[in-house]
Amino acid sequence: GQNIDQPTEMTATEGAIVQINCTYQTSGFNGLFWYQQHAGEAPTFLSYNVLDGLEEKGRFSSFLSRSKGYSYLLLKELQMKDSASYLCAVTDSNYQLIWGAGTKLIIKP
Amino acid sequence: IAGITQAPTSQILAAGRRMTLRCTQDMRHNAMYWYRQDLGLGLRLIHYSNTAGTTGKGEVPDGYSVSRANTDDFPLTLASAVPSQTSVYFCASSDSTSGGAIDEQFFGPGTRLTVL
Repeated sequence: GQNIDQPTEMTATEGAIVQINCTYQTSGFNGLFWYQQHAGEAPTFLSYNVLDGLEEKGRFSSFLSRSKGYSYLLLKELQMKDSASYLCAVTDSNYQLIWGAGTKLIIKP
Repeated sequence: IAGITQAPTSQILAAGRRMTLRCTQDMRHNAMYWYRQDLGLGLRLIHYSNTAGTTGKGEVPDGYSVSRANTDDFPLTLASAVPSQTSVYFCASSDSTSGGAIDEQFFGPGTRLTVL
C-alpha cells in the first residue's frame, strides 16, 4: 500500500531550528509537497521538490532524497507564528496526491 | 471574491438529510478538488475535476457526488448524510494541465460538517 510517515507532534523553541521528517512508500513518484496548516485554517503551499537536493525559500528549506524515499522540511529562526501543522504529500505514478497525517509543531518562547 | 470561497462555514445536519456544500473560485483554475480532513488522518480526496464538464472519483467517493457545470463552481452533495461523514471539508483548485497533482493547490477555508 501507499504510505506517508511523519511524526505526530514536535516541540521547538522560538529562535531555534527544527527539522520535520517525512518518509514515503508510494507506487512511483512525481514530486513531493509541503503545506502549512494553522489550526482551524486551510492548508497553504510551502514547497515542491521533484529532484534530489535542497530547495531554500527564506527561513524554510525542503530536502528530497528519492532513493531513500525521504524528505525533510527545515525551519530556521523559529517564530511563534510558525506554530502549525506541516503536511507532507507525494504525487504517485498515477498523479494521485497522497497526504501524510501532518506534524503538529509547537513553538515555545 | 478573491481565491476560493466555501459555504456554509459550518453546519449541523440530521442523518438522512441531503446537503450541498458550495465551492467557488475566481482564479480560472481548470482543476478542482474536494477533500475531507479527519483528526489523525491525512487529507483524503473525495472527488476531483480536471476541467469543466468532467469529474472523477478520489479515494473516498462513496456517499458523495459532484458536478462541474462551469469553471468556477464545484458543489459537493451528500445525498443522505450519515454520522461518519462528520468532518471538515476542503475545496481546492489548481492551474493544472496534467490532471492533478504536480501543481500547487489553493484551498478554500473549509466547511465543518456535523451529522447527528
